[in-house]
Amino acid sequence: AQSVTQPDIHITVSEGASLELRCNYSYGATPYLFWYVQSPGQGLQLLLKYFSGDTLVQGIKGFEAEFKRSQSSFNLRKPSVHWSDAAEYFCAVDGSNYKLTFGKGTLLTVNP
Amino acid sequence: GAVVSQHPSRVICKSGTSVKIECRSLDFQATTMFWYRQFPKQSLMLMATSNEGSKATYEQGVEKDKFLINHASLTLSTLTVTSAHPEDSSFYICSARAFGSAPEGKNIQYFGAGTRLSVL
Repeated sequence: AQSVTQPDIHITVSEGASLELRCNYSYGATPYLFWYVQSPGQGLQLLLKYFSGDTLVQGIKGFEAEFKRSQSSFNLRKPSVHWSDAAEYFCAVDGSNYKLTFGKGTLLTVNP
Repeated sequence: GAVVSQHPSRVICKSGTSVKIECRSLDFQATTMFWYRQFPKQSLMLMATSNEGSKATYEQGVEKDKFLINHASLTLSTLTVTSAHPEDSSFYICSARAFGSAPEGKNIQYFGAGTRLSVL
């Protein structure tokens, strides 16, 4: 069965600092990978996705993620964090049955 | 594009009553819709998968008689929480998977804004 691990429950960064959120997955084949963001009391917004091809994918709001097969990772990065980026971030994997398996999420706090 | 509307955003009901939550894909046809439940400060738990015109498939441990799902068209799925009890209080989120010829489009789930259910 597929699984996703987000090792960091809570990360705090200063505004303007760089950000990296970690995600590791477990799946037998090449998975479809996603990062979603959730603001309090809201649904999920898709930041970016990886299906195949270039392992560095660009998303919305200045985010990017890199798929590393050898490390089973799909870490999310942003070079300069804005206060509006404070939210919960979920990594997800879509296996062969179109069901998403989510990690437990990483809560991002941005200090002024 | 790819907007999913979920209604209501918040509902408060008395114990023993039933509550219906609607999930609509506004600008695309959804082959499949999914219903999730999210507990405070936790991840999303898939409850069921809903395909248009067929019975929903429930995840293990989810009571299908309590959580009735109807997927009447390619743009609408409903979740009815029957005989709600305080332990059913939670945040319910739907998502819709696009239907069409584009492979990438079919593998992306678009999410509604969620429904906060409080059962008194």
